[in-house]
Order: sequence, then C-alpha cells, then structure tokens
Amino acid sequence: ETGVTQSPTHLIKTRGQQVTLRCSSQSGHNTVSWYQQALGQGPQFIFQYYREEENGRGNFPPRFSGLQFPNYSSELNVNALELDDSALYLCASSLTSRSGHNEQFFGPGTRLTVL
Amino acid sequence: AQSVAQPEDQVNVAEGNPLTVKCTYSVSGNPYLFWYVQYPNRGLQFLLKYITGDNLVKGSYGFEAEFNKSQTSFHLKKPSALVSDSALYFCAAHNYGQNFVFGPGTRLSVLP
Repeated sequence: ETGVTQSPTHLIKTRGQQVTLRCSSQSGHNTVSWYQQALGQGPQFIFQYYREEENGRGNFPPRFSGLQFPNYSSELNVNALELDDSALYLCASSLTSRSGHNEQFFGPGTRLTVL
Repeated sequence: AQSVAQPEDQVNVAEGNPLTVKCTYSVSGNPYLFWYVQYPNRGLQFLLKYITGDNLVKGSYGFEAEFNKSQTSFHLKKPSALVSDSALYFCAAHNYGQNFVFGPGTRLSVLP
C-alpha cells in the first residue's frame, strides 16, 4: 500500500452534473497530481498541485479544476460532465525537491461512470 | 511532443520463461524512467526507476529494466515469469520541471 487514499471508490453521475473526487496524499508529500485513465489506455495527466497552487496542466478543458489544501490533500472537480469523462481517475502524491525527482505514489483510483 | 511508446499491446509468456516488455521514449534531455504495474481495479504500483548510473536497474518482485540511451529504450525484464505477474504494465518518463508521460500499457499474460 502506498498510503495514498481516494474517495469515493465508484461514482455514477449523469451528463451535465458536477462531481468532486478526493485524495489524501502520503505523509510527508507536498505534491499531488491527477490523471485520467480511460478504459484500455494509459493515464493522461490532468494537472498537478504543489503548495496549494496549480503547478502544471495537461490538455484538459477548464471544467476540470482542482484544489490542494494546507494538509496537502486535494480535490478534483469536474463540471458539466460528458459521457467521455467516464474513466478511472488516479491521484498520485510525491515530494517535490530541489533535485526535481518526484517519484509518484498512486492511490487506488475513483471509477467515474457518466450516463 | 514528448511521448512514450509500448509497441506491444499484449505479451504472452509461459510460466518459468523469461519475459520482456518493451518501452521506447521520445523525451528531451535526460529523463527519469519508470515502470509501474496495474492489477484489475487497482491503482498503479511502482516497480522500478532509472535516474542515472548503471544501465541495468533492479526493482520489485524480481523485475529489472535495461536503459539504452542510444536506442531511447527502457525494456522491462524478468528471468522467470510467474502466473501472478499477469497484469497491465506501464512505462513512464519524467523530466525535471515537467509532467509524467505514460505509455499506453502492455498487458502481460503468463500462462501456467
């Protein structure tokens, strides 16, 4: 186990709704990254948060937004859900240091189904 | 654009035989390279990483990977496969100040 937890495990929503996914990072880590993994594909980077600020973003529209809290936990919010948003959402925590090497530890994921 | 390729969607190997899962990357500079494994309905589990130094990296569960800079490859290997190794394997690359880029994954099936 990595010590990274995500909630909920599964979620079913309908098109147009909004969803919030949560992630608790591993103790001692200051950085959280979010990924979308569609069925049969590799994880696609959504964005990363470091010290409560967005620190990099992938090719995802603004309706994907996030937060990082002082305890380094994080939320991923998706507005106006679309059918293609159905995927496994993975959170990864890491420790960003001067060396720049930030090995990531993944949570079990939240499976989102949009009907 | 930076990318990671895993040319095989599926690799089948008999239990006890050696296995290789291939990975090539197109990332600027000197990236860090990783292998992760994913079991059904689970998140990604770290196997091993290459940062610098010896081109042969040893990781968890008897896995190892060979870094080849001239071929921009980082193939995952194991001398003797187990049925329990059957899973989805992802190669990833990361440069300082940049984001992780994952390959599409290779499904490994180890047949008893």
